[in-house]
Amino acid sequence: QSVLTQPPSVSAAPGQKVTISCSGSSSNIENNYVSWYQQLPGTAPKLLIYDNNKRPSGIPDRFSGSKSGTSATLGITGLQTGDEADYYCGTWDSSLSARVFGGGTKVTVL
Amino acid sequence: EVQLLESGGGLIQPGGSLRLSCAASGFTFKNYAMSWVRQAPGKGLEWVSAISTSGSSTYYADSVKGRFTISRDNAKNSLYLQMNSLKPEDTALYYCVKMSSDAFDVWGQGTMVTVSS
Repeated sequence: QSVLTQPPSVSAAPGQKVTISCSGSSSNIENNYVSWYQQLPGTAPKLLIYDNNKRPSGIPDRFSGSKSGTSATLGITGLQTGDEADYYCGTWDSSLSARVFGGGTKVTVL
Repeated sequence: EVQLLESGGGLIQPGGSLRLSCAASGFTFKNYAMSWVRQAPGKGLEWVSAISTSGSSTYYADSVKGRFTISRDNAKNSLYLQMNSLKPEDTALYYCVKMSSDAFDVWGQGTMVTVSS
């Protein structure tokens, strides 16, 4: 059981938009920065979003992050087949004194 | 190019010990906190441990506290994870990860640890 809750899967057609939610609490998301990671099949995770809504260089602006209260959201617009991957949210949990991840969301492009 | 190269994984019996190493290159290693993150086969990501730039502060997940020890050698640009009293549930791919801006910004390819008799 992950500290952060994500939907197991989301799907959409090419070119469409998907959003992935990440639900937490006041001890984690509400008072700490959230980051998002993409894990393509058979590869190591890659940082997509940090500090709630910032993109590292090289990450296209099709990917966006937001946070409100105890929840965060990753948005992917202009969905491409190459976006099929597992996506994870992560943050610090002040009560646990530990870094925590969501359970991951599998994105399928129909 | 920023690179992290893990080594030291393998098959080990329950109760055994293993030491993972991570060789860093392409960045000023001593300026960044580092972590180990693991992923059991077919499962999600689990943070294991983190260490400050100087090594003076270390942090552990409850699942490994008292059994695992993280350390670093800034002169050798290397990160380590000493794993003792290994359990079958420690079986996972272990990633060495660079930390920046409160996120895990660079990941190695991982080294597999299998705990089984």
